[in-house]
Amino acid sequence: GAGVSQTPSNKVTEKGKYVELRCDPISGHTALYWYRQSLGQGPEFLIYFQGTGAADDSGLPNDRFFAVRPEGSVSTLKIQRTERGDSAVYLCASSSTWSGNEQFFGPGTRLTVL
Amino acid sequence: GENVEQHPSTLSVQEGDSAVIKCTYSDSASNYFPWYKQELGKGPQLIIDIRSNVGEKKDQRIAVTLNKTAKHFSLHITETQPEDSAVYFCAASIGVGRDDKIIFGKGTRLHILP
Repeated sequence: GAGVSQTPSNKVTEKGKYVELRCDPISGHTALYWYRQSLGQGPEFLIYFQGTGAADDSGLPNDRFFAVRPEGSVSTLKIQRTERGDSAVYLCASSSTWSGNEQFFGPGTRLTVL
Repeated sequence: GENVEQHPSTLSVQEGDSAVIKCTYSDSASNYFPWYKQELGKGPQLIIDIRSNVGEKKDQRIAVTLNKTAKHFSLHITETQPEDSAVYFCAASIGVGRDDKIIFGKGTRLHILP
């Protein structure tokens, strides 16, 4: 079946611009996670949704980062006034209680801020 | 804060030999320990996980051991094959009664030598 998909696969933007990254979770998965992965590092937790609400946003680095999941399915990670330090791969994962809470990851969006 | 330490950062193993990757964690409330494999350009994929009520789990050539007292856990891959070459991440859940929020180690790049 279809896995987690993320679009775009690559995004190049200029410092100061606004970007949106999209995640389509596995159908029926109620939990959705965003991570950021810098080169040579493990994924770093950003935010976790259970349904439409953000259950834990403690990993968001600052108020330039925001994420929504209005209908409990697709999620968008929004970054305002991008900085060069925001360059990384942004990973999305989804899970459900009937899959033992295993997190299934998408391929990621590589964000480059020039 | 909570963290997960992973060693070694790079590991080269002759094809057919065994590979061992070790991790330690800091949160005594951690109760879920997944291991992920990440290939180039892809998201992490769960290969095995263990919960705190067991000390060892095996799945074909892959096994994981957990020592809760010492707060460390290890991944063992036997009879390594070229397709085992990838980056491996350990992770641990954080927070009492939670296995949804996980933090990752920095990863081990495993090279299988022909």
